[in-house]
Amino acid sequence: DAMVIQNPRYQVTQFGKPVTLSCSQTLNHNVMYWYQQKSSQAPKLLFHYYDKDFNNEADTPDNFQSRRPNTSFCFLDIRSPGLGDAAMYLCATSKGQSTDTQYFGPGTRLTVL
Amino acid sequence: KQEVTQIPAALSVPEGENLVLNCSFTDSAIYNLQWFRQDPGKGLTSLLLIQSSQREQTSGRLNASLDKSSGRSTLYIAASQPGDSATYLCAVRKGSGSEKLVFGKGTKLTVNP
Repeated sequence: DAMVIQNPRYQVTQFGKPVTLSCSQTLNHNVMYWYQQKSSQAPKLLFHYYDKDFNNEADTPDNFQSRRPNTSFCFLDIRSPGLGDAAMYLCATSKGQSTDTQYFGPGTRLTVL
Repeated sequence: KQEVTQIPAALSVPEGENLVLNCSFTDSAIYNLQWFRQDPGKGLTSLLLIQSSQREQTSGRLNASLDKSSGRSTLYIAASQPGDSATYLCAVRKGSGSEKLVFGKGTKLTVNP
């Protein structure tokens, strides 16, 4: 019944060691988003894909990359995680119409040692 | 730059009380506003979505209002229950054609039995 799935739910990595977070959806939505949420902070959009079109937020660090190989899957790659990258990473999807709701996954909690 | 503020940051009420959560935004040129619920360590669940042309939306014990011209929205929860304990976030969509949601930091609600 799950619609937006994120794996793993908890990820521990070492400082500087590349890590990939995964998101998949069963909704066949056109748009997939990645948000970063630090403790007690508002979720912050990193980037999104509208179909295959990648849209990066201006203040997203170069350390963060994304791939969307097909409609169902989207990946977040952190090339060299720093201690400041420890956060909850939320994936969301929407149909892409202006009146849309965004549907969120359960998140991946990233810890950087 | 759009900024979303939620006051108070935390609220504690006894079970059964009616309560109001507040959200304000600096740029009234929004397309819609959405209220989400977030349980500890979890993703976001959409509660209500109000289009900019609407004044309010209702779902069960929840009622959300929108006053776009004054940059304010409220979420009214009737007859609160301990299961309502969570963080409530509001988010505004910048405009037609923009996929970006700008979130507030949320109000952490505790309903005491």
